[in-house]
Amino acid sequence: NAGVTQTPKFQVLKTGQSMTLQCAQDMNHEYMSWYRQDPGMGLRLIHYSVGAGITDQGEVPNGYNVSRSTTEDFPLRLLSAAPSQTSVYFCASGQGLGDQPQHFGDGTRLSIL
Amino acid sequence: ILNVEQSPQSLHVQEGDSTNFTCSFPSSNFYALHWYRWETAKSPEALFVMTLNGDEKKKGRISATLNTKEGYSYLYIKGSQPEDSATYLCALLKTSYDKVIFGPGTSLSVIP
Repeated sequence: NAGVTQTPKFQVLKTGQSMTLQCAQDMNHEYMSWYRQDPGMGLRLIHYSVGAGITDQGEVPNGYNVSRSTTEDFPLRLLSAAPSQTSVYFCASGQGLGDQPQHFGDGTRLSIL
Repeated sequence: ILNVEQSPQSLHVQEGDSTNFTCSFPSSNFYALHWYRWETAKSPEALFVMTLNGDEKKKGRISATLNTKEGYSYLYIKGSQPEDSATYLCALLKTSYDKVIFGPGTSLSVIP
């Protein structure tokens, strides 16, 4: 059972480039989310989804796009990378009702030059 | 957006000491609270999910309590060990299927 799989693990981009961070889960979880980790700020929610076809904004959505065409996949797109988006990105999934915890991927370390 | 606070920001204790830290949240907005343990260079792992006022959960030397009326949860570690060194995060949901908002975390270092 793979759980939550994030790819790539590391990426370096130039300012203005676009890219997609991939997230897939094999636990049939309805709820999926993307967070970014910044020093001293813990995990900040970028976007989340409560099921296929449904997405919503989190705390820091600007500069990021998401879609949820299947239950398994929840990709995060950076439209035009900026140095302020240098961070470690975590994808998580859960049952969604709140009475079950989220399961996290191993993270993607992204550097924008 | 919910304001979830944690204190202290960091803590250094000697091996064998017991310790506790706090997660505070608006008492008018509560559905569930999660506690996670986050070791350096790893991903967060769930410790507890708490939903009812007065909930007490325990896992080995770690326990947690919840007071939804006053808007706080305590995490206790009894007899801290070096392997307990990690950042401890709490996360809040206002309703089911809602956004899960994390506090900034408490960083614990246990000195052998």
